[in-house]
Amino acid sequence: EDKVVQSPLSLVVHEGDTVTLNCSYEVTNFRSLLWYKQEKKAPTFLFMLTSSGIEKKSGRLSSILDKKELFSILNITATQTGDSAIYLCAVIKISNFGNEKLTFGTGTRLTIIP
Amino acid sequence: DTEVTQTPKHLVMGMTNKKSLKCEQHMGHRAMYWYKQKAKKPPELMFVYSYEKLSINESVPSRFSPECPNSSLLNLHLHALQPEDSALYLCASSQEGVAGGFPYEQYFGPGTRLTVT
Repeated sequence: EDKVVQSPLSLVVHEGDTVTLNCSYEVTNFRSLLWYKQEKKAPTFLFMLTSSGIEKKSGRLSSILDKKELFSILNITATQTGDSAIYLCAVIKISNFGNEKLTFGTGTRLTIIP
Repeated sequence: DTEVTQTPKHLVMGMTNKKSLKCEQHMGHRAMYWYKQKAKKPPELMFVYSYEKLSINESVPSRFSPECPNSSLLNLHLHALQPEDSALYLCASSQEGVAGGFPYEQYFGPGTRLTVT
């Protein structure tokens, strides 16, 4: 059975701190790993990682994938209150029917205290 | 434009009602998805449409009936729902959805908050 596990489940830090969110996976027919940020409603796309060892950056956010050890991390530096959200890791795999299928992890609830 | 729109935003329905959720995207995406998200849980895949054909049904009860009238629209018809079906229903789309192609990220709509009474 496919598994996508995120840790920690919940994290509370002060504004300005740096945080690292973890995602490990056990998925057959892996294609890529994605990170989303979910506030009130729809998950917002952050990164897609397909190759090992290549860091993706967007402002204060960065992420990297290790396909050998089957995990990814999402780093946020100099955190701001607007970073408070649930961060979802998701894995794209090829289903038995030949289609791409997205499986989400449980999410990490990040709270930034001013 | 990376917008996926969903209507209505909120829906309250009784167990004997028939209603429909609508999703629209104009990004030229050929794969569209329905997800169900319960409180404090991640989204769970329900259906995948690829090139307007249903390609994945994740063993969803028949009281949920998806429809893809054209490449931009995706509907979810609801009939005889149960209170436990109350959830946020998310629609998503992506450029591709098939093996052999490059994987593409999915863009999500704002969701429809459904309450079944």
